[in-house]
Amino acid sequence: KQEVTQIPAALSVPEGENLVLNCSFTDSAIYNLQWFRQDPGKGLTSLLLIQSSQREQTSGRLNASLDKSSGRSTLYIAASQPGDSATYLCAAYSMNTGFQKLVFGTGTRLLVSP
Amino acid sequence: NAGVTQTPKFRVLKTGQSMTLLCAQDMNHEYMYWYRQDPGMGLRLIHYSVGEGTTAKGEVPDGYNVSRLKKQNFLLGLESAAPSQTSVYFCASSYSLLTGELFFGEGSRLTVL
Repeated sequence: KQEVTQIPAALSVPEGENLVLNCSFTDSAIYNLQWFRQDPGKGLTSLLLIQSSQREQTSGRLNASLDKSSGRSTLYIAASQPGDSATYLCAAYSMNTGFQKLVFGTGTRLLVSP
Repeated sequence: NAGVTQTPKFRVLKTGQSMTLLCAQDMNHEYMYWYRQDPGMGLRLIHYSVGEGTTAKGEVPDGYNVSRLKKQNFLLGLESAAPSQTSVYFCASSYSLLTGELFFGEGSRLTVL
């Protein structure tokens, strides 16, 4: 059974700091891994999607990496801003638990203070 | 471009009542999903659809029914609501099952008393 873990559950940093959010998954047989952002009371917004054949994806100040052999993905946020404050979730699209199975982590709540 | 729209956004029910959540997407996506989000448990898939007229069970389908009569709409029904169904429900859609990113609605917060 695929399990996705995000540690820490919460993170607080000062504005301008570079930071890394971690995502671990137990089954390396995945089609892709996605990172989402969720603002309070809102839905999820897709940030980056990494296919299983890729090692990383970049969008602006965000860079996501994927290492299937170690079961890890990281989301790097450069020069953090207060507007980056949100909960960040990762989700692994698993092969072995049914082709429709997207397994979500419980998220890391990020607070960037001015 | 509205994306994925859910109605209603909030609802309070009494145990045993029924209701339907509506999801509409304007991106011509084939695939649509209903998730529930509960504290400490992440998002869990309730039901999904791979096209008009098709539906399938997800991880936690018990107590829910769905219908996809039109490609753009995906309905989630609760026939007899229970307090355990108090949750935030999210609808999502994608153009590809395996490689496409998911687009989410803003959620429907349901409380069952």
